[in-house]
Amino acid sequence: DVKVTQSSRYLVKRTGEKVFLECVQDMDHENMFWYRQDPGLGLRLIYFSYDVKMKEKGDIPEGYSVSREKKERFSLILESASTNQTSMYLCASSSAQGSQETQYFGPGTRLLVL
Amino acid sequence: DAKTTQPPSMDCAEGRAANLPCNHSTISGNEYVYWYRQIHSQGPQYIIHGLKNNETNEMASLIITEDRKSSTLILPHATLRDTAVYYCIVIGTNAGKSTFGDGTTLTVKP
Repeated sequence: DVKVTQSSRYLVKRTGEKVFLECVQDMDHENMFWYRQDPGLGLRLIYFSYDVKMKEKGDIPEGYSVSREKKERFSLILESASTNQTSMYLCASSSAQGSQETQYFGPGTRLLVL
Repeated sequence: DAKTTQPPSMDCAEGRAANLPCNHSTISGNEYVYWYRQIHSQGPQYIIHGLKNNETNEMASLIITEDRKSSTLILPHATLRDTAVYYCIVIGTNAGKSTFGDGTTLTVKP
């Protein structure tokens, strides 16, 4: 089974802090994604990566950056956390084989910024 | 990638079939229809996907209309544990271009 793990299930940070959210997948997937999920807004793509050291902006990249130094690990960084970044953050991975792209999700991290 | 339209909520009696509709009228020829579900406080879980033929696996069946403008996810014998938000999305060949809308909240009642 594909396993996608996220470093924390719950996180509380203060405004202005630098926040690191880590995601690791064990299926040698090329693609990795970071989403945030808010009530009434569905899942919104922040950034994705299709290879080591490669990254692409999603729909809402402002206030975030990412790092992909190793194939299995994709980090989301909040340079200076703000209260409007309080949300559920979901990481996913997928294989780049063919034209099909089944995404496998981690359990999510609930971030509260005070 | 094409957008999808789903009803916001549906109820289903336990043990009965749950039929969840999805419209994707702007789908293009190389785009797949995917279904995921999200149980409260967990990450979305992949259910099934298809291109134009009907598909079945151990979780569900997917019926895609001949013109591919709509599809139906069928849970043949719904249980209380199937209560979740179900997302229908259309995915092409570009990584990261899938968009999850609000989905359908399915409530299975005893």
